[in-house]
Amino acid sequence: GESVGLHLPTLSVQEGDNSIINCAYSNSASDYFIWYKQESGKGPQFIIDIRSNMDKRQGQRVTVLLNKTVKHLSLQIAATQPGDSAVYFCAEKGAGKSTFGDGTTLTVKP
Amino acid sequence: NAGVMQNPRHLVRRRGQEARLRCSPMKGHSHVYWYRQLPEEGLKFMVYLQKENIIDESGMPKERFSAEFPKEGPSILRIQQVVRGDSAAYFCASSLGQGVRGEQYFGPGTRLTVT
Repeated sequence: GESVGLHLPTLSVQEGDNSIINCAYSNSASDYFIWYKQESGKGPQFIIDIRSNMDKRQGQRVTVLLNKTVKHLSLQIAATQPGDSAVYFCAEKGAGKSTFGDGTTLTVKP
Repeated sequence: NAGVMQNPRHLVRRRGQEARLRCSPMKGHSHVYWYRQLPEEGLKFMVYLQKENIIDESGMPKERFSAEFPKEGPSILRIQQVVRGDSAAYFCASSLGQGVRGEQYFGPGTRLTVT
């Protein structure tokens, strides 16, 4: 079956630096990939998504890169702020359900 | 426009009791999804429902768990005879459509503790 996983469970960065969170997936038939942010005690919050026919998509302070050759997905956060501290999940979206990875905890040091 | 609502936010049950978790989707959304999250883990899909229909229950344990989404009222996830391993956060999400692009909006979750 398909699986989605993240390379590192934790990431610590200095405020103002850029953050890069990585994710690997196994299902080459996946059509959409999504990044979610989950703060303590809350549900996942949609950040950005990317379709499989794209290799890059930019949002406000965030960029998602997709490398289908190596089945790798990354989330880049520019000028990381304390409010960015959270757990970040990548997910593969099919018709209906989403398949989540285990998450990377981002800690932003002041 | 209120987001996805879940209640209760916290639920404590003794082993063997029943747990009922409720989810009200966003206004206009007719697709509901339930996920379970164990500590330090990602969300695991349980079931996908549309009004009065179960579309995909491939992630739902075969015994003790059931879900419904009636024509009127919230979606209910029901766990009978709870065991300690059922302790987790249960999240509900809703979407407007079921297509691949259909963005899912998550509720705040219900944290179930089985003592």
